[in-house]
Amino acid sequence: KNEVEQSPQNLTAQEGEFITINCSYSVGISALHWLQQHPGGGIVSLFMLSSGKKKHGRLIATINIQEKHSSLHITASHPRDSAVYICAVPRIQGAQKLVFGQGTRLTINP
Amino acid sequence: DTGVSQDPRHKITKRGQNVTFRCDPISEHNRLYWYRQTLGQGPEFLTYFQNEAQLEKSRLLSDRFSAERPKGSFSTLEIQRTEQGDSAMYLCASSFRRSGLNYGYTFGSGTRLTVV
Repeated sequence: KNEVEQSPQNLTAQEGEFITINCSYSVGISALHWLQQHPGGGIVSLFMLSSGKKKHGRLIATINIQEKHSSLHITASHPRDSAVYICAVPRIQGAQKLVFGQGTRLTINP
Repeated sequence: DTGVSQDPRHKITKRGQNVTFRCDPISEHNRLYWYRQTLGQGPEFLTYFQNEAQLEKSRLLSDRFSAERPKGSFSTLEIQRTEQGDSAMYLCASSFRRSGLNYGYTFGSGTRLTVV
């Protein structure tokens, strides 16, 4: 079992729909990252959160530390939101190098 | 400061050649990480620096790979005698570590290496 699991792996929706991507993790963490990667592109950090909820524009990220679960929501989705969304957690000890989920490929159709 | 910069963005090389990538982190960040991402997979940790000290290397980093951060600022990742299996996106990230936590974890756009 991977230390970081995302669901779904692929998601296709129509423009305007409300999107939810889930992330569950099994390691102890200090914070959780949500990242965005467009095809052939680098990675952009969307959120780093250690508790509660954060909002940036149409993006909302929540985390429940006790349940080891986080969600990324996109409201009023748009085709430009099409990308791979990756959940990543740093291990508490040592390097705090990130352990990545396998990513969720989101496609928003106009 | 516009974030983490990586150079080049793309590199195509013949098998057996040496390649070197550069990463310029955010200037006040004391930690620098290298990750590798192969097609369809999530990134995997390669190595990291605290200032100029290389503190950890992954088993993925064979002896053909070497990374340096000589003055605690920019870093280079060199691959000697490249193989087709080295084809991947090489990602750099930096952060500021204080009181046991990392702040401002920021990724560069990556260097895509294709070995032909």
